[in-house]
Amino acid sequence: SQQGEEDPQALSIQEGENATMNCSYKTSINNLQWYRQNSGRGLVHLILIRSNEREKHSGRLRVTLDTSKKSSSLLITASRAADTASYFCATLWNQGGKLIFGQGTELSVKP
Amino acid sequence: NAGVTQTPKFQVLKTGQSMTLQCAQDMNHEYMSWYRQDPGMGLRLIHYSVGAGITDQGEVPNGYNVSRSTTEDFPLRLLSAAPSQTSVYFCASSTLATDTQYFGPGTRLTVL
Repeated sequence: SQQGEEDPQALSIQEGENATMNCSYKTSINNLQWYRQNSGRGLVHLILIRSNEREKHSGRLRVTLDTSKKSSSLLITASRAADTASYFCATLWNQGGKLIFGQGTELSVKP
Repeated sequence: NAGVTQTPKFQVLKTGQSMTLQCAQDMNHEYMSWYRQDPGMGLRLIHYSVGAGITDQGEVPNGYNVSRSTTEDFPLRLLSAAPSQTSVYFCASSTLATDTQYFGPGTRLTVL
């Protein structure tokens, strides 16, 4: 079964609004990564947060990690139509060199 | 650097045929992996390799073989294609499994 699960599965917002996506996972992790996928393309790395970090920022992206709840959130502030894409979280199992992806959140930003 | 390259981009097979999906990277990455992506299922790990000569199974390895004879190449073999293997296949590489993954553009495979 998959390690990470994103919520919501789909999100539709207006340009300028903030978008929040959540990821829950099941076992201990070394780090958690967020990726973006434009339709028909490969995934692109956005940000990595380590298990001993609680919050990380990169431009308009803010990621939080709560290891006690086994969850992470990705916040995109002041969204743009170009942010329309699918967003995936990925976790590295402590059990071995396996990076496991969640099912993704499909974000639609309307101009 | 070309990054991670995958060939072919598109492929149509008949049930029972075999083929090899190619993946190559020029970043001297030790870790390489194969994923398949199906609607509503996200990305599922098929096989991965932590270095030349070392491979291991992921979440959905059945029906697929891999080998890693060089650092650069990590081909994925379908021994006897089945319609259930219709999917988009992505190859990825990184310095270590813990690091940022660099993805190829994908191969869209249809098995009739």
